[in-house]
Amino acid sequence: DIQMTQSPSTLSASVGDRVTITCRASQTFSRWLAWYQQKPGQAPKLLIYKSSVLESGVPSRFSGSASGTEFTFTISSLQPDDFATYYCQQWGTFGQGTKVEIK
Amino acid sequence: QVQLVQSGAEVKKPGSSVKVSCKASGGTLSTYSFTWVRQVPGQGLEWMGRIIPITNTTNYAPQFQGRTTFTADKSTGTVYMELNSLRAEDTAMYYCARDKDWFDPWGQGTLVTVSS
Repeated sequence: DIQMTQSPSTLSASVGDRVTITCRASQTFSRWLAWYQQKPGQAPKLLIYKSSVLESGVPSRFSGSASGTEFTFTISSLQPDDFATYYCQQWGTFGQGTKVEIK
Repeated sequence: QVQLVQSGAEVKKPGSSVKVSCKASGGTLSTYSFTWVRQVPGQGLEWMGRIIPITNTTNYAPQFQGRTTFTADKSTGTVYMELNSLRAEDTAMYYCARDKDWFDPWGQGTLVTVSS
């Protein structure tokens, strides 16, 4: 089975900061990865699919990239609405999640 | 734009079963797959498996194989997840989502509480 190692598990940042989250796959299975945002009491929301394609309506400060088995998610300038938990997903495996907290 | 609407919260006794529904607005499941995801309170997302209604093909994550059944009613545009032999550890939010290798959109979630 594929394992997705997501890091960090928690991230403290300030409004305006650049934030980067990484997911590493245990093996090369697919070049596609998705990223989701989840806020308390809400269902996850798709932000990025196929590793780097921004879902319609998602702000351009969110981006994703891939290099081999390493996938990166970036928020270029953190906004108050971005404090949430983020998950990566490939096929039937999710990363452990990264909680982005206010510093 | 398809929307997925799930059935309401359930409270179940240990050892019983629960069946959660997920209805696609517009009443059609088309050729898509649908995935089920579990989230225990305070924890991360756990993929349970998927169903392809047009072929009735199902795939289950190993930890749910044997205790979980996905079905679809193409006439009403609804997919179902049934979980048997419930135990306290199954208390969680259960989500359905359309599956295109990525999951979107998601249902609003169904809270299943298992308690004696």
